[in-house]
Amino acid sequence: DTAVSQTPKYLVTQMGNDKSIKCEQNLGHDTMYWYKQDSKKFLKIMFSYNNKELIINETVPNRFSPKSPDKAHLNLHINSLELGDSAVYFCASRPSGSGELFFGEGSRLTVL
Amino acid sequence: GEDVEQSLFLSVREGDSSVINCTYTDSSSTYLYWYKQEPGAGLQLLTYIFSNMDMKQDQRLTVLLNKKDKHLSLRIADTQTGDSAIYFCAETDSGTYKYIFGTGTRLKVLA
Repeated sequence: DTAVSQTPKYLVTQMGNDKSIKCEQNLGHDTMYWYKQDSKKFLKIMFSYNNKELIINETVPNRFSPKSPDKAHLNLHINSLELGDSAVYFCASRPSGSGELFFGEGSRLTVL
Repeated sequence: GEDVEQSLFLSVREGDSSVINCTYTDSSSTYLYWYKQEPGAGLQLLTYIFSNMDMKQDQRLTVLLNKKDKHLSLRIADTQTGDSAIYFCAETDSGTYKYIFGTGTRLKVLA
């Protein structure tokens, strides 16, 4: 029944590793997002896809690469992880013509 | 700039009213939102207001918008312990829907 689901919920890894976070939504929404929430709870947009097409790409290091195999999925791959990448990453989706965002529960990434 | 400012903390007693304030910067924003984040969870939409409105009431929630001062507020009447959470205001246009979130206000409700 989960509308926007992310995996994994927790991820602990070493600096320099490569990791992926997956997101799936079963709401039939056309637009999906990745947000990063830091330890002070500041929330910043990273990427947005509409029907598998990248429409928002904020100033994010190119170690971060989003991939949308279909409009229900938006994955985030991170290469060469750094300490500063530690954060909670939220996936969200939005139906066409509406501004409401539907968030997943977040994936907490800890880089040691 | 794109900073949306909120005070970081607010503490109220159960049954009192809470007022959370937000100052935004983009006068072209079409929609302004309030989201609630409970511990360990994602954000959930509470309410929103169109930029051509001054006020919106939704049960215990009242949103006030002062477009001249770019000031948005959320009033929660009869605040309950279950209202303890982080509240984010956000602004967006109706084209890209590129949200700019505020810095978040942590509301603590004392029994």
